[in-house]
Amino acid sequence: DVKVTQSSRYLVKRTGEKVFLECVQDMDHENMFWYRQDPGLGLRLIYFSYDVKMKEKGDIPEGYSVSREKKERFSLILESASTNQTSMYLCASSLSTGTANTEAFFGQGTRLTVV
Amino acid sequence: GENVEQHPSTLSVQEGDSAVIKCTYSDSASNYFPWYKQELGKRPQLIIDIRSNVGEKKDQRIAVTLNKTAKHFSLHITETQPEDSAVYFCAASTNTGNQFYFGTGTSLTVIP
Repeated sequence: DVKVTQSSRYLVKRTGEKVFLECVQDMDHENMFWYRQDPGLGLRLIYFSYDVKMKEKGDIPEGYSVSREKKERFSLILESASTNQTSMYLCASSLSTGTANTEAFFGQGTRLTVV
Repeated sequence: GENVEQHPSTLSVQEGDSAVIKCTYSDSASNYFPWYKQELGKRPQLIIDIRSNVGEKKDQRIAVTLNKTAKHFSLHITETQPEDSAVYFCAASTNTGNQFYFGTGTSLTVIP
């Protein structure tokens, strides 16, 4: 059974803090994703990675960066947290077959509140 | 890039009735279309998916149809039950971009 685990379920941070959200998957998936989920806006892609040390910007990368030093771990970094980054953050991973995309498996989400 | 639109944003049905959620996509290269169900406080989970070489797929009370020409796909839930109440997301993906583009979600409420 695929497991995608996010390090925190709930986080409260102060404006201006540097915030790290960690995600680990145990199925040797090549692709990993960070989404932000807000009511009425669905799931918006922040960054994704298709290999170690590789990353690509999604639709809303501003104010975020990512790190993928190991295949199983994908970190989302808020360099200087702001109140408009208060949201639910979802990590996901998927297998890359080279010919067809496959199911994305999601973590349980991190509810981040910036005060 | 790909743009996925999903309608309706909210849907209420009586228990036992059918529910239909529709999505459109813009990129003709998209070839994989998963549907996810997210119960309150839980992670999104895949309930059914379809690839572009198939027009329809069924799994018990759930079915998905795909019209490549019109670039739209739909989720059909028959004989709805209260446990079907959740937010449903459609998505589109290509085999080259590795990305999933999600719709904005449909909040389905099944009234007992």
